[in-house]
Amino acid sequence: DTGVSQNPRHKITKRGQNVTFRCDPISEHNRLYWYRQTLGQGPEFLTYFQNEAQLEKSRLLSDRFSAERPKGSFSTLEIQRTEQGDSAMYLCASSLVGGKYLHEQYFGPGTRLTVT
Amino acid sequence: AQRVTQPEKLLSVFKGAPVELKCNYSYSGSPELFWYVQYSRQRLQLLLRHISRESIKGFTADLNKGETSFHLKKPFAQEEDSAMYYCAFLNRDDKIIFGKGTRLHILP
Repeated sequence: DTGVSQNPRHKITKRGQNVTFRCDPISEHNRLYWYRQTLGQGPEFLTYFQNEAQLEKSRLLSDRFSAERPKGSFSTLEIQRTEQGDSAMYLCASSLVGGKYLHEQYFGPGTRLTVT
Repeated sequence: AQRVTQPEKLLSVFKGAPVELKCNYSYSGSPELFWYVQYSRQRLQLLLRHISRESIKGFTADLNKGETSFHLKKPFAQEEDSAMYYCAFLNRDDKIIFGKGTRLHILP
C-alpha cells in the first residue's frame, strides 16, 4: 500500500462539461475526506465519509457536486456543468477512526482541475 | 467564527538561524491543533500535533490557550526545511480547519 492515491492528477476541461475524480484511500482506513484548495489558500473541507456513509457536506459543495463511496473503499467526486470558479486542487485524505492517533489524516497528491 | 490565522505568507530565514512560524486560532472550545507541511512536489503531510508533544525534525509547537496560539519553532533552520507550512485544528464536527499557510524559505 503506497498511501492515498488520486486519479487523474490533472484535468483540463471546458466550462459546462462534467468531470469525475477518484480517490483510493489507505486500505484499512474507514474515513475519507475531500478538500478543495485554491491558490494562496489552505485546504477547505468539502465532505467526508465514514465507511460508505456520507456524514457531512460543506456549504461549499453546491448541487453541482456529488460524492460517493459505494462500498466503503474508493470514492468519487463528480462536478457537473463545471464553471471557471471550480478550478482548484481537489485533495483526498483518509484516516482510521479508532487508531492510535485519531484523526491523523493522510493526504493524496491531489487532482488539479482547470476549467477553460 | 472558526478560523486559523497565519500572518506571514512568506518567511525567509538564513540557514542556522531560528525559525518561528506564527499561528493563531479562533474557536470556542479546546481544539486539537496540528502543523502540516508540504515539501516541493510532495503531498501534504502531518508534521506534528499538540497532544503528542513531540519534536519532529527539530520542530516544536506549544499550545498557548490564553493567547490562542500554536507557533511552530525550530532553533536552527536547515535548507531541507524549505516548504509550505499549514497550521490547522480539528473542530467538534470532526472537520480540520486549515490556515492559508506560510512558505518558509531557507537561505543558504
